[in-house]
Amino acid sequence: NAGVTQTPKFQVLKTGQSMTLQCAQDMNHEYMSWYRQDPGMGLRLIHYSVGAGITDQGEVPNGYNVSRSTTEDFPLRLLSAAPSQTSVYFCASSERDSSYNEQFFGPGTRLTVL
Amino acid sequence: SQQGEEDPQALSIQEGENATMNCSYKTSINNLQWYRQNSGRGLVHLILIRSNEREKHSGRLRVTLDTSKKSSSLLITASRAADTASYFCATTSYTGGFKTIFGAGTRLFVKA
Repeated sequence: NAGVTQTPKFQVLKTGQSMTLQCAQDMNHEYMSWYRQDPGMGLRLIHYSVGAGITDQGEVPNGYNVSRSTTEDFPLRLLSAAPSQTSVYFCASSERDSSYNEQFFGPGTRLTVL
Repeated sequence: SQQGEEDPQALSIQEGENATMNCSYKTSINNLQWYRQNSGRGLVHLILIRSNEREKHSGRLRVTLDTSKKSSSLLITASRAADTASYFCATTSYTGGFKTIFGAGTRLFVKA
């Protein structure tokens, strides 16, 4: 099993550009989520999904869109990148929901917005 | 605002000593988890404790949970240089959907 994979690993954008961060898992996990981590800080929840076709907002959803058309994939879209979105983005998945199960994290995408 | 807050923010100890990190949170939770992050890497799950449990052990790790005080502690015994990392607590609550919220973390440095 590859676990949770994220692409790209690094990305530089100009202000106003759009892009999609990819996340995929091969563990048949129902629960997936996106976090951002700013320097010296913990992770902040952006969006999460409890299954295909179901998504919800986390702590910091503004400026980001998600969709969940399959169990495996959970892409994160930045519609119009801003310097404040410079961060490391982590995708995570867990079995059932995160109430009783550990989350498995991808290696992260380091995003810089100029 | 973040649900979990760790204390201390940074901790430096000698190899062989014990390291204790604390986490406080604000609302009712379903479970509390501790994760480790090595510099520049993703998070690795260490241990999960449910809201109806008070203590759990895993190898050199001991976690306690006091729901009346809304706090948890992570004890690493006989620390090693390889334990150098950031440690995060994460609380899961049901608010129309299960959300897991992370604290800002404790940076642990174990000197050889």
